[in-house]
This record gives sequence, C-alpha cells and structure tokens, in this order.
Amino acid sequence: AQSVTQLDSHVSVSEGTPVLLRCNYSSSYSPSLFWYVQHPNKGLQLLLKYTSAATLVKGINGFEAEFKKSETSFHLTKPSAHMSDAAEYFCVVSDRNAGNMLTFGGGTRLMVKP
Amino acid sequence: DAGVIQSPRHEVTEMGQEVTLRCKPISGHNSLFWYRQTMMRGLELLIYFNNNVPIDDSGMPEDRFSAKMPNASFSTLKIQPSEPRDSAVYFCASSPTPTPGGEQFFGPGTRLTVL
Repeated sequence: AQSVTQLDSHVSVSEGTPVLLRCNYSSSYSPSLFWYVQHPNKGLQLLLKYTSAATLVKGINGFEAEFKKSETSFHLTKPSAHMSDAAEYFCVVSDRNAGNMLTFGGGTRLMVKP
Repeated sequence: DAGVIQSPRHEVTEMGQEVTLRCKPISGHNSLFWYRQTMMRGLELLIYFNNNVPIDDSGMPEDRFSAKMPNASFSTLKIQPSEPRDSAVYFCASSPTPTPGGEQFFGPGTRLTVL
C-alpha cells in the first residue's frame, strides 16, 4: 500500500527566507510523486512532479523538490518566500502497484509573515 | 483551454433535497475524478472514470451518492437525499493519461452546504 506523510501541518516563515515543506512516502514500486498547491477557495494546482527522471525537480514559482529514495522523501523547497506563497501544499504519491491511484498527504499550511 | 469547469461554484440546500454537481473535463482527457474535501477527512477520492466508464467507486460514501459520465465532456455527481454531513467542497479533476497516476488537473470546486 502507498501512503504519504507530511510532517508539518503548519509552517510559518518570514518573507524572503527559505521554505522547507517535508514529505515522506511509502510505495511498493517506483512511485510518481507530485506537489500540489491550493490557495484559499481555489482548486489544486500542480507545482511539480517526479516520474523517475532527474531526482531534482524544478516547478513553477521557484519551487523545487528532490527525490531521495534512500530516505523515501520528497521535500519541497524554495530559496526565498513571497507573500503570495501562502497556501496549503499537498504531497501526492502514485504507483502502479496501487492501480496508479493518487494518495494525498494531509497537507501543510504555509504562512508567510511580512 | 478553459481548464476543468465545475458548476455551481456554491450550493446551499436543505436536508433531504437532491443536489447535482456538474463537471466538464479538459477536452481530450481520458480520465475524470470526483473528490470531496473536508477539514476532518482531508481530500478523498469518491469515484473515477476512464473513457466514460466508472472504474472504481469504492470511495462513494453510500447509496445516496451516484455519479454518471454520459459522454467524454460531461459528468455529474448526485446526492439524494442530501444530509448536513455531506457539506464539503467537491472537486472534479481530469487527466490526459489512459490510467490514473499521471498528473491531474483540478477544477475550482463546488462548495456544498446542507442545512
């Protein structure tokens, strides 16, 4: 069975400082991994995805994530937070053994202080 | 492309009434998904279709919920009769891959309130 654990339900940073949102996954086979962002009262938007190519994945709005198989992690980072980054972020895993179904983490709410 | 379109964006109804949520997927996408999001349970997959055929409806809460996809460009999620515990945001998503696991594109959601 596949699962996703987002280690922090809330993260607060100051504008201009780095962002780190942590995600650990469990998967029987080589997974596909995604980060989605949800702004208030909006749908989910794909930030980036990993599908067994380069382990460092660059996404939109300056975000990137690194796939580390040995640590079963897929943490999301950004060098410098912007006020507009305040949102909820979901780490998502999918693998063929689970019928390619998406499994969502519980979400991390990112707050950015001026 | 307009993206995934959902209607209505907001729905307020009374307990016992029938509710129908609508979704138009992105043109050319093979798969369509219905999700429900609540504070308590997070994001839950209710049902998904591949080429208009329901593949997995194990997430549908109970018989009060039903979903149809009569053609490649339209799907409905119906709740009859509705109950206050059905209050949630319902998302529709579509995917261009033949089977789920690829990137999914989400609509803006329908916020349902059952009084």
